[in-house]
Parts: sequence; C-alpha cells; structure tokens
Amino acid sequence: TQLLEQSPQFLSIQEGENLTVYCNSSSVFSSLQWYRQEPGEGPVLLVTVVTGGEVKKLKRLTFQFGDARKDSSLHITAAQPGDTGLYLCAGASKTSYDKVIFGPGTSLSVIP
Amino acid sequence: DSGVTQTPKHLITATGQRVTLRCSPRSGDLSVYWYQQSLDQGLQFLIQYYNGEERAKGNILERFSAQQFPDLHSELNLSSLELGDSALYFCASSVGMEGYTFGSGTRLTVV
Repeated sequence: TQLLEQSPQFLSIQEGENLTVYCNSSSVFSSLQWYRQEPGEGPVLLVTVVTGGEVKKLKRLTFQFGDARKDSSLHITAAQPGDTGLYLCAGASKTSYDKVIFGPGTSLSVIP
Repeated sequence: DSGVTQTPKHLITATGQRVTLRCSPRSGDLSVYWYQQSLDQGLQFLIQYYNGEERAKGNILERFSAQQFPDLHSELNLSSLELGDSALYFCASSVGMEGYTFGSGTRLTVV
C-alpha cells in the first residue's frame, strides 16, 4: 500500500518568516501534486512536478521533487496571512497514473 | 468557481437514511473522482469513473455506490447512514496527469 507522510502536521509562524513542509513516501511516484485547502472549501491545485530533481517556483512558493521521486518539499518565503491553510501533497501511482493518493496535510497558520 | 459543481452544499439527515450527492465535472473532463474527508482520516479516495465506466475503487463501503451518466455528471449514493459517515464529500475531475480540480464539497451531517 502506498502511503504519503507529511511533516510537520501543524505549523504556526509569524508573518514574514520562511517555512518548509515535507512530503515523504517509500514508494516511487510518476508525479506529485501540491494543493492548498481553506476551511469549508475543496483543495486547489498549486503545482504538479513530474521529473526527479525538478524545482518549480510559483511567486513565493518553491516546490522540489526528490531525485528518486519518493519525496517532495514546499518552501514558502516571507509567509503572509493569505498563505494560511491546509497544504496537501498527492502522489500519482507509477502503475496507474490517474490514481492519486493524498497525504494527511500540513496545517499552516500565519499570524499577522 | 473551479468549474466542478457539487450539490447540495450542506446535508443533515438521520441515521439509517439514504442520500444522493451530485457532481458535474469541469467541461471537457471525462474523469470524476469521489473523496471523503474527515478530521481523523484525511482525504480518502472512494471511487473513480471515466466516461461512464467505473475505473478504480478505493475505500468505499458497500453501503455507498456511485454512477456516472451519459452527460458525465455523477452521483454518489450513501445508504443506511451511520454517525461515522458524517464528513465532507468532494468530487474532482481531471484531464490526464495535470492534477485534479475539486468542487467545493458537500458537508454531510448524520444525526
């Protein structure tokens, strides 16, 4: 069974600080996605990474896919209150690319 | 608006009852996925349909069933409801590997 772990589970930081959240698995994924979810809403796709070692930047967010395609990280620079939410990573199976498994999420709170 | 429409947004019902949740995927998307999200279980994959056919099954209970119609909208039927079925139910659609587009969910409360 493929499992995704995320750390930390909870993170509370001051506005302007930097942070990194991690997504790890013992399985290899064909691609990995990051989503942000706000309370009462559905997850919103932030990025998809498909190549081992790939780095993608989205404004203040930097996403990295591990060389072995088993792990990923999300780094936020100068966090803002609008970054508050649940960050979910999701891995697409190598054998069934459209069957995606979600991690438990990192709940981020950015205090003004 | 993500383009994925889910109705109703909220549903309160009693134990033992049956409910139907509805989802219209984003225009052009053939795949529909159903997920259940609860505080202790996270986002759990239930079932996927592709162009009217069941494609993959996850942790879906026998009391739950789904279907996708010719116009590509999908319905998730939950029967013999229990208190533990209270959760957020999300529908998502996708095109290939680019990722999912989620609806805003249906919050089901079983009392």
